Amino acid sequence: GAVVSQHPSRVICKSGTSVKIECRSLDFQATTMFWYRQFPKQSLMLMATSNEGSKATYEQGVEKDKFLINHASLTLSTLTVTSAHPEDSSFYICSAPDRDYGYTFGSGTRLTVV
Amino acid sequence: GIQVEQSPPDLILQEGANSTLRCNFSDSVNNLQWFHQNPWGQLINLFYIPSGTKQNGRLSATTVATERYSLLYISSSQTTDSGVYFCAVARAGTASKLTFGTGTRLQVTL
Repeated sequence: GAVVSQHPSRVICKSGTSVKIECRSLDFQATTMFWYRQFPKQSLMLMATSNEGSKATYEQGVEKDKFLINHASLTLSTLTVTSAHPEDSSFYICSAPDRDYGYTFGSGTRLTVV
Repeated sequence: GIQVEQSPPDLILQEGANSTLRCNFSDSVNNLQWFHQNPWGQLINLFYIPSGTKQNGRLSATTVATERYSLLYISSSQTTDSGVYFCAVARAGTASKLTFGTGTRLQVTL
């Protein structure tokens, strides 16, 4: 089946630094990928849509300068949390649409900013 | 945007019991999936079921798109079934945004 690989699975960073999260589709090509954020005991909220070869589309209320998205190829999208602060601590998870299986998700990245 | 409501929000079952989880959505969809989120956060794709009925072992799901709801059945529940169950929907096209429901937190006890 379709596989999406996400790294790192867990990261702890100091306040003010930047963190990059990678999302790769391993056995299929994805012109579009999605980035979600999940706070404890809450549902997943879509942050942005990553488009290969063009700018990402951000949901209302998501700061595009803080959450930089790059979709460099048909199999790789990256999310960079810039100048991270403790309130950015959350679970970030990517997904890609696959024709056969709907949407496939990565394993997620738990970010802790100290 | 589409509103997706799930019920019940919390459910505690004794091992071996059966349960039905419900997902209501506010608009027409061409895509619906059920996920199980395990304690480590990983989303396990249970069903891709925009319409009709599917079964996979002890789990089955039914979506009645015209009435805007979907049901997930868990039979003979096991402790490993514990976690959060989400349904998620999207409008037409495979690149449409997937909107998640509010989730059902299931705890299966011995």
